[in-house]
Amino acid sequence: DQQVKQNSPSLSVQEGRISILNCDYTNSMFDYFLWYKKYPAEGPTFLISISSIKDKNEDGRFTVFLNKSAKHLSLHIVPSQPGDSAVYFCAASKNQAGTALIFGKGTTLSVSS
Amino acid sequence: DARVTQTPRHKVTEMGQEVTMRCQPILGHNTVFWYRQTMMQGLELLAYFRNRAPLDDSGMPKDRFSAEMPDATLATLKIQPSEPRDSAVYFCASGWGGVGNYGYTFGSGTRLTVV
Repeated sequence: DQQVKQNSPSLSVQEGRISILNCDYTNSMFDYFLWYKKYPAEGPTFLISISSIKDKNEDGRFTVFLNKSAKHLSLHIVPSQPGDSAVYFCAASKNQAGTALIFGKGTTLSVSS
Repeated sequence: DARVTQTPRHKVTEMGQEVTMRCQPILGHNTVFWYRQTMMQGLELLAYFRNRAPLDDSGMPKDRFSAEMPDATLATLKIQPSEPRDSAVYFCASGWGGVGNYGYTFGSGTRLTVV
């Protein structure tokens, strides 16, 4: 039973446009959410996070939105750039010491120039 | 630039052989994770340690997989005997106790192929 779901395996966007990646979770105990980015032949790298006490967190071109009632979060990339083409993983955690991240299956973003 | 180091980067082995993957976490990090990436399951948690003690290994097939931290600078994941379905990329990650604002740092992975 998947606790973190990314229902879109892939997304294609034109350079300069907005990319919106979605993620749903089922476990109401999760209270910390992260997005990781992964290029081929590399490990995932941390991108941005949000605590459940917030509904939005922004870092440059990247913004994560959290809707706790819907158990849904999204990552917005504006404007999208070809270098953003990668696999994006949504992850969730119970923000306690030493707890593991539970990942979704990932969404492959392709940004065309 | 601190990084998590995994060896080997690639491993091809025959079914039934023992496989050992190694991870050097970032110095000072007290939490170490093993994840496996497959096309079907995405990133699955296999096991993790805090202060070298195992906290959870429920994601591992117990009959063939084992994970240890002989010391604070080395984590190992062993598969014995290996099977073709174990073919995947295995990632190690490390971090401080709480996930905090920076997530955990992943290594580049070990790509395992069992033929």
